[in-house]
Parts: sequence; structure tokens; C-alpha cells
Amino acid sequence: KAGVTQTPRYLIKTRGQQVTLSCSPISGHRSVSWYQQTPGQGLQFLFEYFSETQRNKGNFPGRFSGRQFSNSRSEMNVSTLELGDSALYLCASRTFRGGTDTQYFGPGTRLTVL
Amino acid sequence: SQQGEEDPQALSIQEGENATMNCSYKTSINNLQWYRQNSGRGLVHLILIRSNEREKHSGRLRVTLDTSKKSSSLLITASRAADTASYFCATDANTGNQFYFGTGTSLTVIP
Repeated sequence: KAGVTQTPRYLIKTRGQQVTLSCSPISGHRSVSWYQQTPGQGLQFLFEYFSETQRNKGNFPGRFSGRQFSNSRSEMNVSTLELGDSALYLCASRTFRGGTDTQYFGPGTRLTVL
Repeated sequence: SQQGEEDPQALSIQEGENATMNCSYKTSINNLQWYRQNSGRGLVHLILIRSNEREKHSGRLRVTLDTSKKSSSLLITASRAADTASYFCATDANTGNQFYFGTGTSLTVIP
């Protein structure tokens, strides 16, 4: 099976702009989670989507939003970008089998806000 | 707040030596997982240990779990330069819906 793919891999934006990141999970996986990774804060959970519904949400402002499509692909949107939004955004495809819950991560999108 | 914390924050060893890193967490868990991240890239799942397990092996990896102390350790034996990466533990905090990651241990293996 193909792994988790994220596009674009790199992105440069300026303050005030908005950005949309895309994630395609592993085929058959219905859950997609998004994380923000920065040197100072580490890996922080943004939200999780399952069957087109947001199932869980981290502690981020409303500028961060997401959605999931019927084919399980997910997008994440950040509006009114701030310098502090510069980070590696990771998407994880999740499966629950045999009583174990495992996430598989994509390569990430490196967002730089100038 | 983050569920887990790894110790040490950074570790530097010679190739062939063993590397041990520890993870502590705060609440009850269903399972604990270890991930590896090469510089600036995605995380790779290494191994999962369930809360009713005490030890698990996978190749050169050995994971232990002590639920009474809320801690886990990852041992990499006979380290290689290619093992240079950051290692994270992740727990599900018994909620089933959200994973919490530790702060990571940066491992450098010197050839």
C-alpha cells in the first residue's frame, strides 16, 4: 500500500495570508489526524477527522480548521497567518486493528511564514 | 500539557554501543508507542507496547513498560549511524481518540 502523502512539501507565505495543506491517508484508513511540530512546543495535536466528521480537537485557535472528504483525504486550512505558525505540519493516517491503535505519518509540510 | 516526556533530551554514543532512552507519562494508558523522526521529516512507527505487556522486542529494539511508575524505556542495541534521529514516545492517555507525544530524545550515533 502507498503511504501517507502530503502536499505541498514546502510552502512560504507572508503574514495575513491563508494556506491550505492536503493529506491523503493510506488506502482504507478512515481516520486522519493533524499535528503541528515546532522546536519550542514539540508535537501538538490539532484535530482528527473520521468519516468526514471532526472527532477530536486540540487547543488551537479558530484560525486552524480542517475537513475530510468522502475519499478520506483531508485538508487543513490556516487563515490570517502569523509568524508563529511557521512549523512542520504532520498528517497521520490511523488504523485500529486487533485491539491496537496505530498512526502512520506523512512526510510533513514545512510552512514558513515571513 | 504534554502527556509524555523523554529523558535524556539528547544522547550521543559511538557506533556499536547501546542507546537507552526513557519516557514518562502522566495518566493511565491503553498502549504506548515509540516513533523515530529523521531531521525535519515525518515520524516512523517503531513499536507498540500494550498496557498489559511488560517487555517487547523488535529486531534491535527492546521496549519495556512499567505502568506502576508510568514509564517506558526504549533500548537500541548495537547502534548504527543510521539510527541518528529523534525518538518520541506517544500515549493514548486512555481516551482512545487522541495521542500525546513526548518531547523527544535526540540521538546521535558517531561512526
